[in-house]
Amino acid sequence: EAGVAQSPRYKIIEKRQSVAFWCNPISGHATLYWYQQILGQGPKLLIQFQNNGVVDDSQLPKDRFSAERLKGVDSTLKIQPAKLEDSAVYLCASSLDHSRSGANEQFFGPGTRLTVL
Amino acid sequence: AQSVTQLDSQVPVFEEAPVELRCNYSSSVSVYLFWYVQYPNQGLQLLLKYLSGSTLVKSINGFEAEFNKSQTSFHLRKPSVHISDTAEYFCAVSDLKAAGNKLTFGGGTRVLVKP
Repeated sequence: EAGVAQSPRYKIIEKRQSVAFWCNPISGHATLYWYQQILGQGPKLLIQFQNNGVVDDSQLPKDRFSAERLKGVDSTLKIQPAKLEDSAVYLCASSLDHSRSGANEQFFGPGTRLTVL
Repeated sequence: AQSVTQLDSQVPVFEEAPVELRCNYSSSVSVYLFWYVQYPNQGLQLLLKYLSGSTLVKSINGFEAEFNKSQTSFHLRKPSVHISDTAEYFCAVSDLKAAGNKLTFGGGTRVLVKP
């Protein structure tokens, strides 16, 4: 079974530039998550999708961050314009269906390491 | 809102020695508890989880964790570590009353196993 795919693995940009990250979840997984992991901290949820709908985006800085999952499969996270404090690893995860009973395991991709200069 | 505290940011340990990683969470409501491991330059992998039933849960590679509801803790232990256990370990909590199976992570504990 193929895992969660993310690209690019690394990205270096200057502040005020734009950047986009791509995630392809495990086939059949309805729920997709984007996390931000700042160096020395645990991952923090940015946004959660169920198919192509948003379940939770309460911690997404909407003035500069946006995300979409138009066809309910792969997803793109964008930052525009980037700030120095956006330097972090951006992790994508997927699970079967968060709405089912029990805690569906989240499977994580390798992440995209963003450096903002 | 739920919060998770991992008291030790780094734990150096000699090979074949025991290790314990501490995790406390804030809420006393019903929760699911998880330990994830992150090897260098890799994504997070689920190590073990507590959903219900026996409070002692075990992984296939010798780790175990015990859910203690009264102390709101979920400490991770291994009686004898290997060099390959060098990694960062994250404790996470899912609040059953929160929407979306949302995970709240602790800050992580970096384990460095020395020969």
